[in-house]
Amino acid sequence: DTEVTQTPKHLVMGMTNKKSLKCEQHMGHRAMYWYKQKAKKPPELMFVYSYEKLSINESVPSRFSPECPNSSLLNLHLHALQPEDSALYLCASSQRVNEKLFFGSGTQLSVL
Amino acid sequence: AQSVTQLGSHVSVSEGALVLLRCNYSSSVPPYLFWYVQYPNQGLQLLLKYTSAATLVKGINGFEAEFKKSETSFHLTKPSAHMSDAAEYFCAVSDPNGQNFVFGPGTRLSVLP
Repeated sequence: DTEVTQTPKHLVMGMTNKKSLKCEQHMGHRAMYWYKQKAKKPPELMFVYSYEKLSINESVPSRFSPECPNSSLLNLHLHALQPEDSALYLCASSQRVNEKLFFGSGTQLSVL
Repeated sequence: AQSVTQLGSHVSVSEGALVLLRCNYSSSVPPYLFWYVQYPNQGLQLLLKYTSAATLVKGINGFEAEFKKSETSFHLTKPSAHMSDAAEYFCAVSDPNGQNFVFGPGTRLSVLP
């Protein structure tokens, strides 16, 4: 299994909603990442987990809250988002930090 | 800190023609360099990676890239373009410890019949 699976593929939410994005990999990777990608732009790193510990937080607003329950799962909890948070959210994993990155297909998020 | 520039936000080639996508980097330490491809409505896929071994790196789908330290470049090439190569291509750089991983702005490749 060489896949990173993200659910849901599409999500529409209001500014008062609470939702979660999920990411799963079964490759035994110990580094997992959240990226945000706006249309026609490169991905921007949000968070990095290494061995289930948050190692990098790129000054992301607190309305985004990551969680790594175990080595295979990565969640991104969303609360009180703004319309400008609408984007493609990509999860990635690697054996260790800076090893080859495997990306999921992303969750296309729209905030109304 | 690392940074990446990609000359040309959009490159068009004819099917069967040479593909050349340019990437230049800036790094205060020996860099690790990557090329990723993103097809429409999909995540990113690693094409190839340079990690201070051979300067000519071969990747998937017939792509290769050459690391040239004197030119601070890591251009991506493919001898003969195929329609299926149409996608967005991102060059990226990091330091060997995995810190400061940065994507370039991307180049959209169109392949004309």
